[in-house]
Amino acid sequence: QSALTQPASVSGSPGQSITISCTGTSSDVGGYNYVSWYQQHPGKAPKLLIYDVINRPSGVSNRFSGSKSGNTASLTISGLQAEDEADYYCNSYTSNSTPVFGGGTKLTVL
Amino acid sequence: EVQLLESGGGLVQPGGSLRLSCAVSGFTFSSYAMNWVRQAPGKGLEWVSDISGSGGSTYYADSVKGRFTISRDNSKNTLYLQMNSLRAEDTALYYCAKVRSILERLSGVFDIWGQGTMVTVSS
Repeated sequence: QSALTQPASVSGSPGQSITISCTGTSSDVGGYNYVSWYQQHPGKAPKLLIYDVINRPSGVSNRFSGSKSGNTASLTISGLQAEDEADYYCNSYTSNSTPVFGGGTKLTVL
Repeated sequence: EVQLLESGGGLVQPGGSLRLSCAVSGFTFSSYAMNWVRQAPGKGLEWVSDISGSGGSTYYADSVKGRFTISRDNSKNTLYLQMNSLRAEDTALYYCAKVRSILERLSGVFDIWGQGTMVTVSS
């Protein structure tokens, strides 16, 4: 199963909104509503931000939101803050009955 | 407090073996599927393996199939990953991760992660 496609990097200024895309196929992102997003700060374990495309776990800021259209899922971060600077990964269930991660996106807060 | 604590990593020669452990506390271990996810230095996350709550069902990434074996001991609240025929490309930080929901096994939704244990395959 090939990794999902994410932009290598995105950037934004404090207060702005940014969107990270995650493109797959009808065999993963497009075929199931099991897309999740993770945030990873340097030297730390990943943290679950979004699951089942749009749901936020308890304790995750509502500045983080998820969506999906066709074979592409998106993570939007509104009101960008310095602490949001991190790597972000998407993940999807696949037709192989296994999950697959995206390649990751480095977010820089200018 | 929910906690996952990996151990067993280290330096091993190509072709060698290593067994990783993940000690769990703070939740009913036997109720949840558990996974291993790895991250090569400077690279992204790669899903490795999944095991059901009972241990009776397992899944593997193609990259490790036939070489790695996931298992669990529910009486000891511990998850394992037996790694054989190790290759340089297996060098990575290995995380154990808990599936968020009993109903979402293999969905890739991991709500609790350990801090990882480093495996280096080199001669």
